[in-house]
Amino acid sequence: NAGVTQTPKFRVLKTGQSMTLLCAQDMNHEYMYWYRQDPGMGLRLIHYSVGEGTTAKGEVPDGYNVSRLKKQNFLLGLESAAPSQTSVYFCASSYSAGLDHTDTQYFGPGTRLTVL
Amino acid sequence: AQSVTQLDSHVSVSEGTPVLLRCNYSSSYSPSLFWYVQHPNKGLQLLLKYTSAATLVKGINGFEAEFKKSETSFHLTKPSAHMSDAAEYFCVVPHNYGQNFVFGPGTRLSVLP
Repeated sequence: NAGVTQTPKFRVLKTGQSMTLLCAQDMNHEYMYWYRQDPGMGLRLIHYSVGEGTTAKGEVPDGYNVSRLKKQNFLLGLESAAPSQTSVYFCASSYSAGLDHTDTQYFGPGTRLTVL
Repeated sequence: AQSVTQLDSHVSVSEGTPVLLRCNYSSSYSPSLFWYVQHPNKGLQLLLKYTSAATLVKGINGFEAEFKKSETSFHLTKPSAHMSDAAEYFCVVPHNYGQNFVFGPGTRLSVLP
């Protein structure tokens, strides 16, 4: 199993350009998440999905859109990139968040995005 | 709402000495709690998790953590640090409504030779 994969690994954009980050998981997980990681701020949740065809906003959703058309894929879009979106983006998946919240998240290797 | 505080942004220890990384949580009930580790330029990996079965939880690489409800703490310890333990460590608690998770800001562990 590949686990959670992210494409691309690195990207440089100019302000105003758009792009899509792809996350794929082969563990048949229901839940998927997009986080951004910035120095000193830990991981902040951008959007998440609790199943195919569903999406929900996290802590910092502005400037991003997501789609979950297939259970195994979770796409993160930037319609008009801004320098403030320079960050490392991580995708994760879990079987569920569960009634007793015990489920492990599995993380991808990250995408390093720079917006000039 | 659930929240997590990691009291130290950076901890530095010498190789072979004990490690203590502190985590306190805020919750209206006894939650599950997680520690994740992130090695440089890598994704996050589960170190251990508390699921109410036992208050002392053992994880990978010799780490363990003790859940103390009275202190709302879940501190991570290791008796003897190894150079390969140098990484960032995150304490995590599930969100109130069980649909996502809240991360602490992280503690960077440095291990000196």
